[in-house]
Parts: sequence; C-alpha cells; structure tokens
Amino acid sequence: SQQGEEDPQALSIQEGENATMNCSYKTSINNLQWYRQNSGRGLVHLILIRSNEREKHSGRLRVTLDTSKKSSSLLITASRAADTASYFCATDGGDSWGKLQFGAGTQVVVTP
Amino acid sequence: GAGVSQTPSNKVTEKGKYVELRCDPISGHTALYWYRQSLGQGPEFLIYFQGTGAADDSGLPNDRFFAVRPEGSVSTLKIQRTERGDSAVYLCASSPLSRGLGSPLHFGNGTRLTVT
Repeated sequence: SQQGEEDPQALSIQEGENATMNCSYKTSINNLQWYRQNSGRGLVHLILIRSNEREKHSGRLRVTLDTSKKSSSLLITASRAADTASYFCATDGGDSWGKLQFGAGTQVVVTP
Repeated sequence: GAGVSQTPSNKVTEKGKYVELRCDPISGHTALYWYRQSLGQGPEFLIYFQGTGAADDSGLPNDRFFAVRPEGSVSTLKIQRTERGDSAVYLCASSPLSRGLGSPLHFGNGTRLTVT
C-alpha cells in the first residue's frame, strides 16, 4: 500500500517558473524524503526532512513539512528543462520504521 | 564511485518460467532493499536485508517471490512460476546505515521484467 499521495499528478511549466508539488500522508512519520526519477532510470534522493523540522533547503529546492496536517511540499525555483522528471515523496516511520513508502508521484514537464 | 548495479536491465520471459534478478549494491552498504514499480506508480516495498539476513520480507506478494543475500553484498530476487501480473520494474536500493536511522536510499536503474 502507498502512504503518500502527491498533488498534482502532473505539472507543466516553462523554464524559469517555480514548480510546487504537495504530498499528504496518513500515519505518523520519523522523516519524509523526496526523490526524482527520470524516465527509465532509478530514483535519485533529493532531500530528507525529519519530523522535528519544518523547512529545509538544498540549492533550488525548498521542502516544508507540517506534521499537524500530515503534509509536505516541494518547491523547485527557477526551473530548468533538466528538471523534467517524476517526483516522489516517501515516508519513513510509524510502524514501518525505515521502510520507505512512496506515493504515486508528480510528473513535471519543464518546457524551454 | 560505482552506484547500485542491476542486471539484466531488461528481461522478457514466458508465463510460468523462473527468473532471477541481480543487484550489486554500493560497496560497504549494509542495508539493501528491493522495490517493485508498476507503470505510473511509485515504488512498492518488497524486502529489506540488513547484512545477510532478510530483516523484513513483509512486502513480498506471495511465496513465489524469494530473495537472498548470502554474503551480505550481492542480492538475487527470485520469482517462480511467473505470471503476467509480475510484469513491472524491479528496483534495488542500498544504504550505508541500518534501517530506521533515516538514511537516503541509493537506487539502481532497475530491471524491467515483462512476462508474456
């Protein structure tokens, strides 16, 4: 079963614009991670945010976590064509300690 | 350095056949995971190894699926009597830390299994 649900399912933007996607989950977590997957490839880890953190930055990425609402958001600023990929949130915690549970992902297309 | 390597990258087999999928984790990574990803979905957990032992196999769908990691490095996922519903991309991931310590996973590119 998949715990996280990403929203929107698909997102199409132009280069230079910001892309925001959201993740909601059901049970308590120890941490939440975001991954990127290019077509036909494996997943690449982007950022990890722990349950006691509210916001984290890495380059052009900004992740927020609201444990009271059981939701997280990933913001990609000044998007590039190379950011075209599927983005997944994965939760780690509750009774599935260390067993990441992934959502269905958000497909992002960035056009030049 | 070398990442997680999975072989073969593609496997086509007939219904009812036996298949083995191989994963070479990053050297020194003690934790190894198998996931399955269907089209348009996120990865679904199958099994987790810490060292040589299967610490959690709760995601294996049935007893046709089995995985081993005899020397704590390379792992093989074995599927008996394959069914068309087994068609998916099988992903392997490794991590330097024990499960539960919040370590990111390093994924291979997967094996695309097609059962005809």
